[in-house]
Amino acid sequence: EVQLVESGGGLVQPGGSLRLSCAASGFTFSSYWMSWVRQAPGKGLEWVANIKQDGSEKYYVDSVKGRFTISRDNAKNSLYLQMNSLRAEDTAVYYCARPCGGDCYLSYWGQGTLVTVSS
Amino acid sequence: DIQMTQSPSTLSASVGDRVTITCRASQSISSWLAWYQQKPGKAPKLLIYKASSLESGVPSRFSGSGSGTEFTLTISSLQPDDFATYYCQQYNSYSLTFGGGTKVEIK
Repeated sequence: EVQLVESGGGLVQPGGSLRLSCAASGFTFSSYWMSWVRQAPGKGLEWVANIKQDGSEKYYVDSVKGRFTISRDNAKNSLYLQMNSLRAEDTAVYYCARPCGGDCYLSYWGQGTLVTVSS
Repeated sequence: DIQMTQSPSTLSASVGDRVTITCRASQSISSWLAWYQQKPGKAPKLLIYKASSLESGVPSRFSGSGSGTEFTLTISSLQPDDFATYYCQQYNSYSLTFGGGTKVEIK
């Protein structure tokens, strides 16, 4: 059974940093692209970033370019999102998801972790 | 980036109703479109991919159609478990985008 478990969310001040993690199990992690998607409170879904199986390709939504970095550790079956220079508008539930490919639908989702940016 | 526009944003319907949700893309995306269902406090669930392919385990009352720039999600006979928010998502490029969502409410 595919499982994706996010962690690392919490309350952070504007301008601060946070690192999210996603522990994957139930599939061969190194064989799949991975994604982060977020959802602000009461709002819709927004794709944040994708990373290729070997980490050689990464894509980001414009609003986080230069501030967020997606990475992975295939030996640990883990996906990460390093978030710097956080803004109030980054407040959201962040989901780890497994797409079927690099530009693809999202077959599996974690339960999400809440990031709140506030002073 | 490709913009996705869903309509309506809210829909009131009764159990047994046929429900149709529309999603329009700002440029052609061929059939690279997925539909998701999301319930409050839960992660989205994949329903349809490649515009009309039903994900394994999803009830057959859900169907998708369309290509190019206009797509529809149809629920043939609305069930109590179907009251939720539905999102479309294009995957024509690495920059994925979602529609704004359609909330299906009890009439």
